[in-house]
Amino acid sequence: DGGITQSPKYLFRKEGQNVTLSCEQNLNHDAMYWYRQDPGQGLRLIYYSQIVNDFQKGDIAEGYSVSREKKESFPLTVTSAQKNPTAFYLCASSAQDGFLTSVLTFGAGSRLTVL
Amino acid sequence: GIQVEQSPPDLILQEGANSTLRCNFSDSVNNLQWFHQNPWGQLINLFYIPSGTKQNGRLSATTVATERYSLLYISSSQTTDSGVYFCAVTLTGTASKLTFGTGTRLQVTL
Repeated sequence: DGGITQSPKYLFRKEGQNVTLSCEQNLNHDAMYWYRQDPGQGLRLIYYSQIVNDFQKGDIAEGYSVSREKKESFPLTVTSAQKNPTAFYLCASSAQDGFLTSVLTFGAGSRLTVL
Repeated sequence: GIQVEQSPPDLILQEGANSTLRCNFSDSVNNLQWFHQNPWGQLINLFYIPSGTKQNGRLSATTVATERYSLLYISSSQTTDSGVYFCAVTLTGTASKLTFGTGTRLQVTL
């Protein structure tokens, strides 16, 4: 079945450590996204990528980094510079119709807790 | 940036009732999507509806782009409809960047 796989589902980290969240899709989508969700809040865009080897900052990119070396993969690193990293992280992908974004498909999310 | 406001923020319904959720946006958009987030955090796309009306079973949505709002109708609600409903938009002239509203939290009781 086509879809998006995020791992790990739950992650605990100590302050000062970098962690990398995995996102893999087999939908053959060009665009991929990372969103952050805090309790009771909406989703905020961290980074997005419309094509391999290219990505753009979203609204809250500080303290995060990404890479897009393969079409299927868009890993997110939460660095020690991120002041408040405890959150629910959601990866999504979409096909691109020229300039327009089509329907977003989401993974099941990764819940990061900093101890 | 574009502002996306959803109302009401919280809604409690008895099973079988109907409801209307609203999404207002502050600027011209070329993409509007409605999502349902279940209690386990999974987001499912309900509608891609930059304009017009669509229906899917008990759900339907209408977007009036010229007046900058969209409505999601839920009829004969079921307990499985519980969760958070988000609308998300892309500003006209920009690519890819979907901005999410703050959501409407729906609880359907027996």
